[in-house]
Amino acid sequence: GEDVEQSLFLSVREGDSSVINCTYTDSSSTYLYWYKQEPGAGLQLLTYIFSNMDMKQDQRLTVLLNKKDKHLSLRIADTQTGDSAIYFCAEVPGNTGKLIFGQGTTLQVKP
Amino acid sequence: DVKVTQSSRYLVKRTGEKVFLECVQDMDHENMFWYRQDPGLGLRLIYFSYDVKMKEKGDIPEGYSVSREKKERFSLILESASTNQTSMYLCASRSQGFETQYFGPGTRLLVL
Repeated sequence: GEDVEQSLFLSVREGDSSVINCTYTDSSSTYLYWYKQEPGAGLQLLTYIFSNMDMKQDQRLTVLLNKKDKHLSLRIADTQTGDSAIYFCAEVPGNTGKLIFGQGTTLQVKP
Repeated sequence: DVKVTQSSRYLVKRTGEKVFLECVQDMDHENMFWYRQDPGLGLRLIYFSYDVKMKEKGDIPEGYSVSREKKERFSLILESASTNQTSMYLCASRSQGFETQYFGPGTRLLVL
């Protein structure tokens, strides 16, 4: 079945790197996504990676995809207090057009 | 920029009331979605719509219905609200042929 798993909580110090991990089950997913949700707000598309890529970098964000292990990670370099949020990993299995979300990882950044 | 708006940020309703949550998108997207978000469960799909007057059940449709009379508007209806429908409700839209979904700010519903 379709399932996306994330750890629920991560705490880092300001200036450190954060790594948020995600595992998924559907190998037919074409795109994999990272969304960010700030307190009280909706979801903001942060970045995505196409399934034939193994890495994508966008400023402080690096996405790594290991298709063999069905593992996706989001690395945030030089983490700032403004990065404190919930981060959701999501996949779109097959041609369903439906996003399947993980539970969300709450990132806490301590000054 | 894609804009998805939801009619209310916060709603308080009583058990048994009929509740309407409205979502509007301004990018002529064919597909629209309703999710609910609960702590530790992530987002779960309630209903989605591929086109005007078309709807499909998601993973948790029980207790909900939807309406899509115009392309830009997708309404979620709670026929008789119950306390277990207290949640954050998120609307999203996407263009046909593209997988990226864009989300509204959410409506936090409290059912007393």
